[in-house]
Amino acid sequence: DVKVTQSSRYLVKRTGEKVFLECVQDMDHENMFWYRQDPGLGLRLIYFSYDVKMKEKGDIPEGYSVSREKKERFSLILESASTNQTSMYLCASSLARFENTEAFFGQGTRLTVV
Amino acid sequence: GIQVEQSPPDLILQEGANSTLRCNFSDSVNNLQWFHQNPWGQLINLFYIPSGTKQNGRLSATTVATERYSLLYISSSQTTDSGVYFCALRASGGSYIPTFGRGTSLIVHP
Repeated sequence: DVKVTQSSRYLVKRTGEKVFLECVQDMDHENMFWYRQDPGLGLRLIYFSYDVKMKEKGDIPEGYSVSREKKERFSLILESASTNQTSMYLCASSLARFENTEAFFGQGTRLTVV
Repeated sequence: GIQVEQSPPDLILQEGANSTLRCNFSDSVNNLQWFHQNPWGQLINLFYIPSGTKQNGRLSATTVATERYSLLYISSSQTTDSGVYFCALRASGGSYIPTFGRGTSLIVHP
């Protein structure tokens, strides 16, 4: 079974802190994604990556950056956390860029910025 | 981009009841999934169903790609079925990034 693991389930950070959210998948998937989920707004794509060191902006990249140094790991970075970044963050992976296969999600990280 | 509409937005059931959730989309698709988001926030894969019909226990799904909709059936609902159900899809020839509907929030009362 595919496993996507996010480093923390719950996280509380202070305004202005640099925050790292880590995501690891164990099935050699090429595609990895970061979404945030807010009530009434659904899932919105922040960044995605289809290969090591490759990254592309999603719908709401402002205030975020990402890093993909190894195929299995995709990190989301909040350069200077703000209260409007309090949200549920979901990481996902899928096999390959042009393959029609399933996406799998991690357990989610509920981030609170105070 | 492709538009995804899920209905109903909210659904409240008594345990044991059956329900049908719908996902309409605006363009042809080559990839469609149904997910259940449990109360702890995790998205669980239910079905990968770009076309045809599949069944898994009390759940089944049908996608009629030519008419641009998919249905998720839940029979004999249980309290553990509560949560939000999402469909996510990719347009044929379009981006490989999944596009999500807004979801159907289901509450099953004992």
